Amino acid sequence: EDQVTQSPEALRLQEGESSSLNCSYTVSGLRGLFWYRQDPGKGPEFLFTLYSAGEEKEKERLKATLTKKESFLHITAPKPEDSATYLCAVREDYGNKLVFGAGTILRVKS
Amino acid sequence: DAGVIQSPRHEVTEMGQEVTLRCKPISGHDYLFWYRQTMMRGLELLIYFNNNVPIDDSGMPEDRFSAKMPNASFSTLKIQPSEPRDSAVYFCASRFGLAGGPYVYEQFFGPGTRLTVL
Repeated sequence: EDQVTQSPEALRLQEGESSSLNCSYTVSGLRGLFWYRQDPGKGPEFLFTLYSAGEEKEKERLKATLTKKESFLHITAPKPEDSATYLCAVREDYGNKLVFGAGTILRVKS
Repeated sequence: DAGVIQSPRHEVTEMGQEVTLRCKPISGHDYLFWYRQTMMRGLELLIYFNNNVPIDDSGMPEDRFSAKMPNASFSTLKIQPSEPRDSAVYFCASRFGLAGGPYVYEQFFGPGTRLTVL
């Protein structure tokens, strides 16, 4: 069973059209949920870490939220430069590994 | 800071050849991770080191893969012999090892090495 599931697989938005990406997880002891952005041909770039249900983090047009079973990455008034693959990962218990989801490919058209 | 450095950025080789990928972590980071990314399987952890010592290699697909970290600023991932199914993008990532802080578990990734085995 997948520990981290991201949806949708792909999302197309018009510039300015706000939406949300979902990351659901099934790990028993969450010790951190991480959001990354990956541009084509590049390595994942760290965006946020969330540790507790109810926690929120913001950066420019992005806001990440966390519940006990899932996290959302809200994108407000996106621009074409927000186009990328967004990955979430979880850290289970007190280990050092991150388990990544398959990602959501976001395309924002002007 | 230069970030995580990987070389080569692209590697094309023929089946059966030895391939060596290289990584220089961010200075001061004492955890180093090797990942493989494919369309089918996404981003998978292969092995990670702490203070140059391999801690968990359970993700290494088979004995053809080996990794070393001879010092704090250099690591290699070797595939011998290489096979077409090894074609993927290989990433190296590093992070601080200081426990107890709120933001010490995020990993910082290099640009990756795109490996093509013909």
